[in-house]
Amino acid sequence: GQQVMQIPQYQHVQEGEDFTTYCNSSTTLSNIQWYKQRPGGHPVFLIQLVKSGEVKKQKRLTFQFGEAKKNSSLHITATQTTDVGTYFCAGKGTQGGSEKLVFGKGTKLTVNP
Amino acid sequence: DTAVSQTPKYLVTQMGNDKSIKCEQNLGHDTMYWYKQDSKKFLKIMFSYNNKELIINETVPNRFSPKSPDKAHLNLHINSLELGDSAVYFCASSSGQGGSYTFGSGTRLTVV
Repeated sequence: GQQVMQIPQYQHVQEGEDFTTYCNSSTTLSNIQWYKQRPGGHPVFLIQLVKSGEVKKQKRLTFQFGEAKKNSSLHITATQTTDVGTYFCAGKGTQGGSEKLVFGKGTKLTVNP
Repeated sequence: DTAVSQTPKYLVTQMGNDKSIKCEQNLGHDTMYWYKQDSKKFLKIMFSYNNKELIINETVPNRFSPKSPDKAHLNLHINSLELGDSAVYFCASSSGQGGSYTFGSGTRLTVV
């Protein structure tokens, strides 16, 4: 079945450093979504990418969708302590059928002030 | 106004008991889900309902039984609870194909 791999599993940075998490799918995706889960909280939707090669920005966050629609990345510039949390990518396959997102295992980001 | 609400927030119970978790969404979404998040934070889908119809049933023990009385509600009943059932259970909803998911705040289940 469809698998979504995400690396790294953990990332610790100093405040002000950049951070990137990568997501790879075993199959071509129709779209990819990114979520953030704060410690003790629930996943919150950040963004959705649909088009091949798409790049979207949200303030210090930059999201990319690969040309082959099998990989994606999230880059945070100049991290802040408010960026702490686990970032999940979630991919939806292109073969239709039941609607479900397959989540990556997440990247846990900690930021040292 | 809470978009996706789950109750209870915490649930501590003994092995062998039966318990239920309730979920309600006021977003008008057609599809609702149950996810299990283990201690390693891995989010795994369990069930999905679309307009009260079961459309996804992953490999989950028969002790877990979802029920959707209407498209705004999706409950989860668990029989004969086991230690390994301890996890955070998230309810979520979406508006349709490719739509983003809105998650509830989760139910932390601890089986002792």
